[in-house]
This record gives sequence, structure tokens and C-alpha cells, in this order.
Amino acid sequence: GENVEQHPSTLSVQEGDSAVIKCTYSDSASNYFPWYKQELGKRPQLIIDIRSNVGEKKDQRIAVTLNKTAKHFSLHITETQPEDSAVYFCAATRGNTPLVFGKGTRLSVIA
Amino acid sequence: DSGVTQTPKHLITATGQRVTLRCSPRSGDLSVYWYQQSLDQGLQFLIQYYNGEERAKGNILERFSAQQFPDLHSELNLSSLELGDSALYFCASSVEYPPDTQYFGPGTRLTVL
Repeated sequence: GENVEQHPSTLSVQEGDSAVIKCTYSDSASNYFPWYKQELGKRPQLIIDIRSNVGEKKDQRIAVTLNKTAKHFSLHITETQPEDSAVYFCAATRGNTPLVFGKGTRLSVIA
Repeated sequence: DSGVTQTPKHLITATGQRVTLRCSPRSGDLSVYWYQQSLDQGLQFLIQYYNGEERAKGNILERFSAQQFPDLHSELNLSSLELGDSALYFCASSVEYPPDTQYFGPGTRLTVL
């Protein structure tokens, strides 16, 4: 089955700097890759997703890149703000199987 | 608000007891997923239902069971509770195929004393 590895587990950045979180997946048939943000005690919320027919997707300060050959995808947050502090989860699926999540990255943005 | 509802929000019970968690998916979503999140842990997939039928099973204990009813709401039953079952339990719903966003409910925090 699918296995998703996520790095780093914790990340601290200064406000205004960029943050990058990386995930690798094992199932070459996976074709959907969402990223979720979870604040303490709250539900995971989708922030961006990408499908296997696209190499990059951007939404304001957030972007995701996908390298199908290397089987990895990354989340990029630019101009970080204190409200970006949260745990971020990547996930992967081939579409007829449940999402497999990475273990999460705790991002701290220091003002 | 994702449109997915879960009740109750909090549940405190004793070891050995049985509880039922309830989830109502977004309007139009046929798939319901259950996840367990222990303190500072990731999201562990438990089980998925699609239009009333079990679709996939993850690391769900034999003491746990679930079902999805004709109105598409789902219930997760946890029995013979142990201290280690204390966790946040989330359900999520989606249209499932083609692969689409899973929308999470607010979760039920279970505390077993």
C-alpha cells in the first residue's frame, strides 16, 4: 500500500521568510495530493491540492509542486505570518483508496 | 464550516464502557471516513463507507465498529474502552471519485478515565 513520508517534523521560521515542507510517496499510481492545515484542537482544513496531471499550483502565498518521477511533492509558503503557525499534513491517494497522510509538520512562525 | 457535523463534541467515559460517535456528511457526499488522532500524532485512518457499504479498512481495532445508514450518516462504535483510546476522532466526507477533497468534521474528543 501507499506510504507517505513527511519532513521536517518541526520547522521554525522568522515572520516574512519562506517555509518549505516536503513529502515523498511510494505508490506510483497515486494521483491526488492534498495538503491540510490543522490548528490546535481544530479540524484539518484543506489549503491546497494538486493532481498528477499538473506540476505546480499556486494560491496567493501558498504553492505546491509535484515531481512524479521522483515521487515527491512540496508545500511552499511565502511571506509567512504568525497565523500560518499550525501543523501541516500532506496526503496521497490513487483515487479509489483512502488518503494516506504524512505524520505532519509543526510550523512555528516567529514574529 | 465544512458542512460535516459530528456529535458529541466531547465525551468522557470510563474504561470498559461503550460509546457511539455520530457523523453527518456534507450534502451530496456518499463517502464517509473515520480517523483517530492521538495527542501529537498524525491522522490514522480507521474505516471508510461508501453509500452504505464498507469500502476500506485501516488500522481499526476489533473493539471498534462502524456503519453508514440509508440517510448516509455514520456511527462509530467503540467498546471495551481502554485508556489508550483517548483521542480526537474525526470523520470526513467526499464524493470519492474522481479523487476529491475530503472535508473534515469538527471532531469528537474522547477521554477515557
